[in-house]
Amino acid sequence: DAKTTQPTSMDCAEGRAANLPCNHSTISGNEYVYWYRQIHSQGPQYIIHGLKNNETNEMASLIITEDRKSSTLILPHATLRDTAVYYCIVKQTGANNLFFGTGTRLTVIP
Amino acid sequence: NAGVTQTPKFQVLKTGQSMTLQCAQDMNHNSMYWYRQDPGMGLRLIYYSASEGTTDKGEVPNGYNVSRLNKREFSLRLESAAPSQTSVYFCAGRGRLNTGELFFGEGSRLTVL
Repeated sequence: DAKTTQPTSMDCAEGRAANLPCNHSTISGNEYVYWYRQIHSQGPQYIIHGLKNNETNEMASLIITEDRKSSTLILPHATLRDTAVYYCIVKQTGANNLFFGTGTRLTVIP
Repeated sequence: NAGVTQTPKFQVLKTGQSMTLQCAQDMNHNSMYWYRQDPGMGLRLIYYSASEGTTDKGEVPNGYNVSRLNKREFSLRLESAAPSQTSVYFCAGRGRLNTGELFFGEGSRLTVL
């Protein structure tokens, strides 16, 4: 599976959009981009995933560049409860493991 | 509908003791997983079970054994605990093979003295 690079930490003002970048320059054609988050010491929570088209659900939007070498997770209106570690993961279809790196620690500031 | 349930939530062991972490899911997941997370680090896969009756090693299987008792239950056993196994353990389940959407339990915090 391709590896990902994320900033170690980011801050975002409450109510503003949080844009979390992820670099996956070695991604291959059959690999999906997944985002999870981990609030405090809870189990990770699935957010969204995509292959090459932009995706949106009730939690977030995922923007994938045309060359698929990077992506951005967007939380449109960050709240204090969005403070968490966000993991960007690349995975092949049918592969059994998700490689969790160290992620980006997002702090939403009041 | 409890999702993925892990027991115990906390455990303290002495070096050399054995114990089993239990995981049960009521989401009809085919695949189940055990991860560990050390302080300040991401999750690492210990073992997984792609389907009932099968188990496979992950990244860090040494010192652990697993058992997929039935479709609902997947247990992780430490035969002789070591301080290096002090960690938070997460169980997860996945229903659809190709989407990779994992549902995690709340974690089991293990300290080995």
